[in-house]
Amino acid sequence: DAKTTQPNSMESNEEEPVHLPCNHSTISGTDYIHWYRQLPSQGPEYVIHGLTSNVNNRMASLAIAEDRKSSTLILHRATLRDAAVYYCILSGGANNLFFGTGTRLTVIP
Amino acid sequence: SQTIHQWPATLVQPVGSPLSLECTVEGTSNPNLYWYRQAAGRGLQLLFYSVGIGQISSEVPQNLSASRPQDRQFILSSKKLLLSDSGFYLCAWSVIRTRHTGTYEQYFGPGTRLTVT
Repeated sequence: DAKTTQPNSMESNEEEPVHLPCNHSTISGTDYIHWYRQLPSQGPEYVIHGLTSNVNNRMASLAIAEDRKSSTLILHRATLRDAAVYYCILSGGANNLFFGTGTRLTVIP
Repeated sequence: SQTIHQWPATLVQPVGSPLSLECTVEGTSNPNLYWYRQAAGRGLQLLFYSVGIGQISSEVPQNLSASRPQDRQFILSSKKLLLSDSGFYLCAWSVIRTRHTGTYEQYFGPGTRLTVT
């Protein structure tokens, strides 16, 4: 599986936008970019995914670089409930996902 | 709607004892099923996945095993637990990946926190 690189931690003030970066320079043409998040003591939950075009849903937006070697998860207004570990994952031909260590987001009231 | 159940929620077992964790999915048929483990402060490690009854793929060699006796039931077992088996065990399901699906979401259960003493 192609690997991703994310910062270990980030902080954001409540009510402000958050941009969580992810580098995936070895991405292949068939890899989708997924984002999951894991709240404390819970299983991960799906946030968003995309292939080439930017994507929006009720939780977040996903901005994908033109060369697809990086992407950014955007939370438009961070709330305290958004404090979690965010995982950027590539899925290719296998029926599984590789979760790295992710980015721990701290939201400051 | 689909739901996924895991039990027990917490478990404390002595070294050398057996283990059986169960996961069941409702509201879907023929799902992919997965077992992950998360050690304290670490990322998720995929242990096993299954694309059908009796079909198990192991990702990491260890003293754990998995079985899928029914379409929506996935069991994680060990004959003799080690201290290193402590962790947060998560079961997940997804729709079967097909050529036309492109990708899929995984849905996780609430997890079992296992402490081996």
